[in-house]
Amino acid sequence: GQSLEQPSEVTAVEGAIVQINCTYQTSGFYGLSWYQQHDGGAPTFLSYNALDGLEETGRFSSFLSRSDSYGYLLLQELQMKDSASYFCAVRDGRAAGNKLTFGGGTRVLVKP
Amino acid sequence: NAGVTQTPKFRVLKTGQSMTLLCAQDMNHEYMYWYRQDPGMGLRLIHYSVGEGTTAKGEVPDGYNVSRLKKQNFLLGLESAAPSQTSVYFCASSSGTSGSDRETQYFGPGTRLLVL
Repeated sequence: GQSLEQPSEVTAVEGAIVQINCTYQTSGFYGLSWYQQHDGGAPTFLSYNALDGLEETGRFSSFLSRSDSYGYLLLQELQMKDSASYFCAVRDGRAAGNKLTFGGGTRVLVKP
Repeated sequence: NAGVTQTPKFRVLKTGQSMTLLCAQDMNHEYMYWYRQDPGMGLRLIHYSVGEGTTAKGEVPDGYNVSRLKKQNFLLGLESAAPSQTSVYFCASSSGTSGSDRETQYFGPGTRLLVL
């Protein structure tokens, strides 16, 4: 089976940097994705890592270490609109369908 | 281009009633998925489809059935609703094995279901 661990909540101030860690146990690991979800909204895709290293997309970066079964999402220059839940998800490469297993989510609260 | 749409947005059922949730996508995506999300938790995969006419079980399939008669539509059925099925249901789609966004799942706005 698949299991993912991420912190339940993080609080930070505007302009700060937040790192959300994700550790996973899985068979057939193919890649790690990150999704953002505002309260009452739908999840939206942020990033995907299949290989070790850092992927940067604007203020957000995502990192993967396959040997450590670990990844993180880095949120820089935090803004109030970044208050949301962030989910890591592993892709199962063993079967067709690009299936994802999601972590429980990290709620990020940005304070003025 | 509406993306992924879901019908209805909100529904209240009594225990034992049945209903069908409709998901439609206009992006010509091969893969479609149904998830449920309980308060304060992540998404759990119920069923998914890798193409028209195909369906497969996900992590929590019991009590649900699905059909994909047309490529653009993916239906989720509850034959006899139970209070444990109170949740928010999200549909998603992805392009599959091709395209620069093949690892992206696009989500619909969700259906909030309350079973009394």
